[in-house]
Amino acid sequence: QSALTQPPSASGSPGQSVTISCTGTSSDVGGYNYVSWYQQHPNEAPKLLIYEVIKRPSGVPDRFSGSKSGNTASLTVSGLQAEDEADYFCSSYADVNKLIFGGGTKLTVL
Amino acid sequence: QVQLVESGGGLVKPGGSLRLSCAASGFTFTDYYMTWIRQAPGKGLEWVTYISSSGNTNYYAASVEGRFTISRDNARTSVFLHMNSLRLEDAAVYYCARIPRNNWQAYWYFDLWGRGSLVTVSS
Repeated sequence: QSALTQPPSASGSPGQSVTISCTGTSSDVGGYNYVSWYQQHPNEAPKLLIYEVIKRPSGVPDRFSGSKSGNTASLTVSGLQAEDEADYFCSSYADVNKLIFGGGTKLTVL
Repeated sequence: QVQLVESGGGLVKPGGSLRLSCAASGFTFTDYYMTWIRQAPGKGLEWVTYISSSGNTNYYAASVEGRFTISRDNARTSVFLHMNSLRLEDAAVYYCARIPRNNWQAYWYFDLWGRGSLVTVSS
């Protein structure tokens, strides 16, 4: 099972919006609504941002939103803030009884 | 306090074995599947294995199948990862995480993570 495909880097200025893509196949991202997104700051554990494609856990700002079209899921960060600078990983349930991550995207706030 | 705390990491030679533990507290342990996820230095996340809430079902990534074993002790609210035949490429921070479930299935996301335990494989 290959990793989901994410761009290695993304950037934006404070206040702008940035979208990070996560591309898989019909056996993972396209086949299930079990895409989730995680934020990881240096030397910290990942933190859940989005689950089941579009849902946000309590405490996560509504600046973070998720979507999916076909085999590609996306995370959009609106109103970029300095503290959003981090690594972002997508994850999906995959055939059969497996879980898979994307390679990660380093978000830089310019 | 709702938390997961990993322990047991360390330095091991190639071909050696190690057992990681993850102690859960502050929540109903049997309401969750449990999983191990690893991150090699400077690399991305890799799912390793998960176990159902009862402990009856578990699945593994192809990279560790046959070498790693996950288990859980619901009375002690702990999950374990037994790692055998360790390879250089198994070196990583190993995170324990929980997966919410309902009566019929898991929800397939990781809503609580531990801080990780470092496993170093070197001769």
